[in-house]
Amino acid sequence: DAKTTQPPSMDCAEGRAANLPCNHSTISGNEYVYWYRQIHSQGPQYIIHGLKNNETNEMASLIITEDRKSSTLILPHATLRDTAVYYCIVRNSGNTPLVFGKGTRLSVIA
Amino acid sequence: NAGVTQTPKFQVLKTGQSMTLQCAQDMNHEYMSWYRQDPGMGLRLIHYSVGAGITDQGEVPNGYNVSRSTTEDFPLRLLSAAPSQTSVYFCASRSSGTGLDEQYFGPGTRLTVT
Repeated sequence: DAKTTQPPSMDCAEGRAANLPCNHSTISGNEYVYWYRQIHSQGPQYIIHGLKNNETNEMASLIITEDRKSSTLILPHATLRDTAVYYCIVRNSGNTPLVFGKGTRLSVIA
Repeated sequence: NAGVTQTPKFQVLKTGQSMTLQCAQDMNHEYMSWYRQDPGMGLRLIHYSVGAGITDQGEVPNGYNVSRSTTEDFPLRLLSAAPSQTSVYFCASRSSGTGLDEQYFGPGTRLTVT
């Protein structure tokens, strides 16, 4: 079973920030939080990952709570092309596989 | 780099037929994996490999075989196709350096079993 809980769907107005929550209350100390997205029927695309500090890259920001039991992916200025299913995944380093849950379907609305 | 390539893009099989889905990557990645995605569902892991000669089962391995004779290739074999194996199949790869590197996915093979 996936170790994360995400809302099944969310809407966001174009140009606004999209904040996607993820609950991972059973995360262990050596597990990282990863975010991937899948646009339509394409293969998933990596977005960002973090351990305990907040992270930012050209695509998004990842905010992890101090107790690490939840996190939020932030797309600062959502566009129509950001409409996708977003997956929050926890895994440790090494060769453990990525296990996907059902994700959040984000619809960006014009 | 071509990244992760998969062939064929589409395939229709009859129940009981066998076939091999091909996956190749040109990034010298040690780790490769296969997922299936049923309509409206998330991805489920079938098999994975941490290097040539090493494979392991994922969440849904039954009905599928894999082998890893080279770093570049990771074929998935359907032994006797069943309608329940109708799905989109994604292959992925990543470096095993720290295990934290991003995973790259192929474009998928859409398989229908009638």
